[in-house]
Amino acid sequence: DTAVSQTPKYLVTQMGNDKSIKCEQNLGHDTMYWYKQDSKKFLKIMFSYNNKELIINETVPNRFSPKSPDKAHLNLHINSLELGDSAVYFCASSRGASGDSTDTQYFGPGTRLTVL
Amino acid sequence: RKEVEQDPGPFNVPEGATVAFNCTYSNSASQSFFWYRQDCRKEPKLLMSVYSSGNEDGRFTAQLNRASQYISLLIRDSKLSDSATYLCVVNGYGNQFYFGTGTSLTVIP
Repeated sequence: DTAVSQTPKYLVTQMGNDKSIKCEQNLGHDTMYWYKQDSKKFLKIMFSYNNKELIINETVPNRFSPKSPDKAHLNLHINSLELGDSAVYFCASSRGASGDSTDTQYFGPGTRLTVL
Repeated sequence: RKEVEQDPGPFNVPEGATVAFNCTYSNSASQSFFWYRQDCRKEPKLLMSVYSSGNEDGRFTAQLNRASQYISLLIRDSKLSDSATYLCVVNGYGNQFYFGTGTSLTVIP
């Protein structure tokens, strides 16, 4: 019954590897997001998709590639992992209706990525 | 200039104390405002929305001052379980949510 779920919860890998994180929401929301939270705890937006279309693409290395096969799923693939990629990655979703001042975000439990 | 600015704290207060957090935002066209709570090693969760007229939820009171672009959260009668990081969040144009860096609160027995 989890509203926003992510897998895996923990990911430990070597530098240079390629890995994917998956996210699914069962809230019927149209918009999904990926955030990175580093050791300083700041939540930084990476990407946002609305109905499978990319709408926000912040300054993120192109080693990070999001994919949205349908509006309930937003996956994040990371190529050639680097030490600085170590962080907690949160997926979130919201209704996404433009101008809806009551819209709020729901977060997944996070994926703790450690690059060795 | 950051979209949302918060005092990071930490705030260390005794049980039963009243504590207030402030937050400023830079975009005067921002449409909606929230306080989220994040426990250690957990995801952020919505604590309350912030309405123009101010709103209260039990021991928590949120206020918005659009003229000064300022949001506040007041916690009365602090409990040990209130210890967490409190994130100020502003929804701007185009469904983009801007997060503050968070304010750390520890309630001490």
